[in-house]
Amino acid sequence: EAGVAQSPRYKIIEKRQSVAFWCNPISGHATLYWYQQILGQGPKLLIQFQNNGVVDDSQLPKDRFSAERLKGVDSTLKIQPAKLEDSAVYLCASSLGSEAFFGQGTRLTVV
Amino acid sequence: GQQLNQSPQSMFIQEGEDVSMNCTSSSIFNTWLWYKQDPGEGPVLLIALYKAGELTSNGRLTAQFGITRKDSFLNISASIPSDVGIYFCALAGNQFYFGTGTSLTVIP
Repeated sequence: EAGVAQSPRYKIIEKRQSVAFWCNPISGHATLYWYQQILGQGPKLLIQFQNNGVVDDSQLPKDRFSAERLKGVDSTLKIQPAKLEDSAVYLCASSLGSEAFFGQGTRLTVV
Repeated sequence: GQQLNQSPQSMFIQEGEDVSMNCTSSSIFNTWLWYKQDPGEGPVLLIALYKAGELTSNGRLTAQFGITRKDSFLNISASIPSDVGIYFCALAGNQFYFGTGTSLTVIP
């Protein structure tokens, strides 16, 4: 069974630029999550989708972050404009029940 | 939000030693999860616990779901160099809540 796929693996951008991350969850998993993980910390939820609807985006900085999950499968997370403090690993996860499975993450560096 | 306290924050052990780490939560949940994260990778699920008092093993790893349903521990027996990484506990509710992680270093 294929796992959660994310791309790109690494991205370096200048502040005020925009960036987008892509995620393909495990086939059949209705719930998709985007997490932000700052170095030395645990993952922090940004947004949760159930199929193509948003369940929880209370922690998403909506002035600069946006996410969508068209057709309830793939998802994209966008940051525009990026700030230095957005440097982190962005993890996508999917679940069918009470276990979440993660992709390898995208390491974003904002300079 | 949900408070998850994980300890210790870091551990340095000799190869072959046993390791123990634990998590406590401020609320009762029905599922405890333990993940390991290698550098540059996403967290990988090690063990899932669903019942209070449940003790589950996965090779050299053993985890228990506390009777109070507010705590869990993870033990690693006879550590080896590839055990190096960061271990996270997590709770499954409406979303997944993660602890702050335990960084494990195994000295050959």
